[in-house]
Amino acid sequence: ETGVTQTPRHLVMGMTNKKSLKCEQHLGHNAMYWYKQSAKKPLELMFVYNFKEQTENNSVPSRFSPECPNSSHLFLHLHTLQPEDSALYLCASSSRRPNRPYGYTFGSGTRLTVV
Amino acid sequence: DAKTTQPNSMESNEEEPVHLPCNHSTISGTDYIHWYRQLPSQGPEYVIHGLTSNVNNRMASLAIAEDRKSSTLILHRATLRDAAVYYCILRGGSGGYGQNFVFGPGTRLSVLP
Repeated sequence: ETGVTQTPRHLVMGMTNKKSLKCEQHLGHNAMYWYKQSAKKPLELMFVYNFKEQTENNSVPSRFSPECPNSSHLFLHLHTLQPEDSALYLCASSSRRPNRPYGYTFGSGTRLTVV
Repeated sequence: DAKTTQPNSMESNEEEPVHLPCNHSTISGTDYIHWYRQLPSQGPEYVIHGLTSNVNNRMASLAIAEDRKSSTLILHRATLRDAAVYYCILRGGSGGYGQNFVFGPGTRLSVLP
């Protein structure tokens, strides 16, 4: 248990399905992140939220839609995905204060397979 | 973002020390050096971080070169559970909220029994 909980752990979905990934943290952190990790590749930052506001979108296709209703919860809504979107999706959180390089706490990830 | 360079892979024998190097020749004066590791089928986990002085914690030690252009993560006695990908990451500590973590390929550590 890392303090960041992701559900589900595994997800298989068809290309026409709509599904959502959930991330939850009760560490008192004010920033949350979505990363994608494809096979044999480094982690890629997808979205950043600070105090519930999206501050970064790294050219992610619109079939991925994040939502951050409060500082403790982060969702990634998925629709009409492609097989190449199959990957491990990781959520992380951190305290984000000016001039303080706090580290991240990661969840265990959701292993997504698009068929 | 300042870049780091790590060997792709390393091997160690169980119960022996492991020294994982990281080069960061373009580091700025306010960049902190962070180390994370990722066990199979898990998200990355924090190992250690430092700015200028060497650091120790229950997991590892971090040795930082005097010019800060390189650092070494030291696992004092490798166990099979230490087999993972180790990431060395720089993160700014001044000027706004700092940079986001950018992960490179890391070093894949294999531990042999």
